[in-house]
Amino acid sequence: AQSVSQHNHHVILSEAASLELGCNYSYGGTVNLFWYVQYPGQHLQLLLKYFSGDPLVKGIKGFEAEFIKSKFSFNLRKPSVQWSDTAEYFCAVNTGRLAFGKGNQVVVIP
Amino acid sequence: DAGVTQSPTHLIKTRGQQVTLRCSPKSGHDTVSWYQQALGQGPQFIFQYYEEEERQRGNFPDRFSGHQFPNYSSELNVNALLLGDSALYLCASSPGTGFSTDTQYFGPGTRLTVL
Repeated sequence: AQSVSQHNHHVILSEAASLELGCNYSYGGTVNLFWYVQYPGQHLQLLLKYFSGDPLVKGIKGFEAEFIKSKFSFNLRKPSVQWSDTAEYFCAVNTGRLAFGKGNQVVVIP
Repeated sequence: DAGVTQSPTHLIKTRGQQVTLRCSPKSGHDTVSWYQQALGQGPQFIFQYYEEEERQRGNFPDRFSGHQFPNYSSELNVNALLLGDSALYLCASSPGTGFSTDTQYFGPGTRLTVL
């Protein structure tokens, strides 16, 4: 079965700092990769996704992620965070069903 | 265009009781998946319904069962509730038949507390 690992479950940073969240998955076949975000009091929303093609994908709100097949990774980045980026971020692998990591709780201090 | 809706928002039950949670998919979607999200954890896949049949199932006991109706809405039933069933239950809808390229759209969830 596929599994997804996310590290640094709690991240605290100041506005304008850069953010990088790691995601590693274990699955031998073709995978489709997602990052979802859950803002306080809101439901899970799609941030970005990778199916094929350019391994650098851009999502909403200035987020991007890079798929590195050799490292089984799909790390999320944002060059300069805002207070409104405070949320929980989940990496997920879809092989017909979604398998989620445990999430990263990100707090941005104004 | 309404997104995925779930009811009720919150629910409190006692051990041994049974509960039914409901989900209406996003317009145009025919596949519904259910997830359990315990506190501090990522969502865990319970099962997926398409054409009124359970197409895939995660590692959950038979106490967890579901149903999909002709209008694509779905129910999740949990029997003989345990304290450990306390969690946020998420419904997600997608077009297609469970293809891995389908994007799943999530509802707000039902918060179940078992006392």
